[in-house]
Amino acid sequence: DTEVTQTPKHLVMGMTNKKSLKCEQHMGHRAMYWYKQKAKKPPELMFVYSYEKLSINESVPSRFSPECPNSSLLNLHLHALQPEDSALYLCASSQDLDTNEQFFGPGTRLTVL
Amino acid sequence: AQTVTQSQPEMSVQEAETVTLSCTYDTSESNYYLFWYKQPPSRQMILVIRQEAYKQQNATENRFSVNFQKAAKSFSLKISDSQLGDTAMYFCAFGGTSGTYKYIFGTGTRLKVLA
Repeated sequence: DTEVTQTPKHLVMGMTNKKSLKCEQHMGHRAMYWYKQKAKKPPELMFVYSYEKLSINESVPSRFSPECPNSSLLNLHLHALQPEDSALYLCASSQDLDTNEQFFGPGTRLTVL
Repeated sequence: AQTVTQSQPEMSVQEAETVTLSCTYDTSESNYYLFWYKQPPSRQMILVIRQEAYKQQNATENRFSVNFQKAAKSFSLKISDSQLGDTAMYFCAFGGTSGTYKYIFGTGTRLKVLA
């Protein structure tokens, strides 16, 4: 299995809602990443997990809360988002932090009303 | 700090023709990786080709090949026999090996293959 899956594909939420994005991989990768991508722009790194521990937080607002319950699963909990947080959220994984090849999931298109 | 520049925001090519997308980068590292990713309208980022800086031989994957010029810090992507399915946004990315653990992406080139 060489796939990174993400659910849901689309999500619409109000500014007071709490929701979660899910990412899963079964390639045995030990590094997982969350990116935010605005239209016609490159992905921007948000968080990096290595061996289920948070390694990098790119100064992301606390309304985004990542979680890595196990080596295959990565969640992004959303609370009190703003309309400007509307974007495509991409998950990626790599064998480890020293392996420079990331595999991306199909993304979750998030709209904040 | 590393930078990646893609100077062609948009390009078009006729089906079956060849097109070259340019990418330049700046780094003080001696060993690193370079990638081309394709993002079609379906939005999934797909790895097209990867080049390791210590390898002098240019990487090739079927219709896709790179021209890697390490001294010039240039990493262009050539697509031969272009197909309609090649229509996508193409991102060049730099991956360092000195512990930064993050890709540096270029701004992307939108390629349209015309029938």
